[in-house]
Amino acid sequence: AQSVSQHNHHVFLSEAASLELGCNYSYGGTVNLFWYVQYPGQHLQLLLKYFSGDPLVKGIKGFEAEFIKSKFSFNLRKPSVQWSDTAEYFCAVDTNNSNYQLIWGAGTKLIIKP
Amino acid sequence: GAVVSQHPSWVICKSGTSVKIECRSLDFQATTMFWYRQFPKQSLMLMATSNEGSKATYEQGVEKDKFLINHASLTLSTLTVTSAHPEDSSFYICSARSAAETQYFGPGTRLLVL
Repeated sequence: AQSVSQHNHHVFLSEAASLELGCNYSYGGTVNLFWYVQYPGQHLQLLLKYFSGDPLVKGIKGFEAEFIKSKFSFNLRKPSVQWSDTAEYFCAVDTNNSNYQLIWGAGTKLIIKP
Repeated sequence: GAVVSQHPSWVICKSGTSVKIECRSLDFQATTMFWYRQFPKQSLMLMATSNEGSKATYEQGVEKDKFLINHASLTLSTLTVTSAHPEDSSFYICSARSAAETQYFGPGTRLLVL
């Protein structure tokens, strides 16, 4: 079965630290990959997405993610986090053969200590 | 762009009544919309996939007679919780899939059944 795994449920960082959130998926075919973010009290927002082309994609607010096909990974990174990055981050995969349903990771709660 | 709205944002109702939640894509057309349910401290649970002009596809374990979905136009899908009970209290979220193959999420509707 197709699945998405996010390595950490909670991540605690200090401001200015570098961030990398892991995401791995299990599906051998073509995928579209997404990272969504949910800030406290707000709804899910698209952070960035990868469909094809350059495997390093840049999103909003200084985030980027790298698609490594051989590792079935799509890790999210940010060189220097801010307190306002405190949120829950979700990785999701669209395999284009499941009626466009997204397969979700369980989410990673990122807490930035001021 | 790519804004999805939900109405109402919260609703309190008596047990046994029905509640209708609207999901609208404000600035794009969406042939496919999705309804999710989010339990506290848990990830999104897909309830159903709604395609414009056709019957919704429900996930296993979701009662189609209880959660009526109508996708009458390319910008509107409705979810009606029929004969609501306290266990239906939850946070209901919709998303709309754009032509760019990306899901955009509404702000959610919090339902409390007394």
